Amino acid sequence: SQQGEEDPQALSIQEGENATMNCSYKTSINNLQWYRQNSGRGLVHLILIRSNEREKHSGRLRVTLDTSKKSSSLLITASRAADTASYFCATALTGANNLFFGTGTRLTVIP
Amino acid sequence: DAGVIQSPRHEVTEMGQEVTLRCKPISGHNSLFWYRQTMMRGLELLIYFNNNVPIDDSGMPEDRFSAKMPNASFSTLKIQPSEPRDSAVYFCASSIGGDGQPQHFGDGTRLSIL
Repeated sequence: SQQGEEDPQALSIQEGENATMNCSYKTSINNLQWYRQNSGRGLVHLILIRSNEREKHSGRLRVTLDTSKKSSSLLITASRAADTASYFCATALTGANNLFFGTGTRLTVIP
Repeated sequence: DAGVIQSPRHEVTEMGQEVTLRCKPISGHNSLFWYRQTMMRGLELLIYFNNNVPIDDSGMPEDRFSAKMPNASFSTLKIQPSEPRDSAVYFCASSIGGDGQPQHFGDGTRLSIL
């Protein structure tokens, strides 16, 4: 399976702390994306990092990509209760429109 | 723009009944994806379309499942006959097409087969 795997499966932190989630995948990719899913809602795209990029920032989000290790990390700084959600990585292969989603990390931010 | 619109949001029906899920993608998007999400199996891609043409239906679990996209603004996923193991949340997503473009998801249809 080309599906990615997130680690940890669940993470619980205090508001204001940083949250780090990791994603590992198996094949060469075109890009890697991170999505958030709030309870009862669809997935929302957060950030995309291309295979030739190593780091990308968007507001409180920082994403890194190590293609040699086939891994990525998502860092959320200064977490807020509203960040409570499941976070998924998704990989895109060259020449394909579809994405391969990971198993997700459930983040709980305690006020 | 209105985003991806799915209907119904919830569906409860008895096994053996036909179920039709509907999706309106974002205007201008030419790729459409149907997913199923369960606790046990996570998010599974069922089928996707480019320019209304089915490209990959290898994720469709059985012949009981079928999907159509008669035009650029509408798609259906049909299950006939439905079984309790089909209970899941079904998502539709659309993108502008091209390699690995970000996908925009609807809020899903929560399907319960009794």
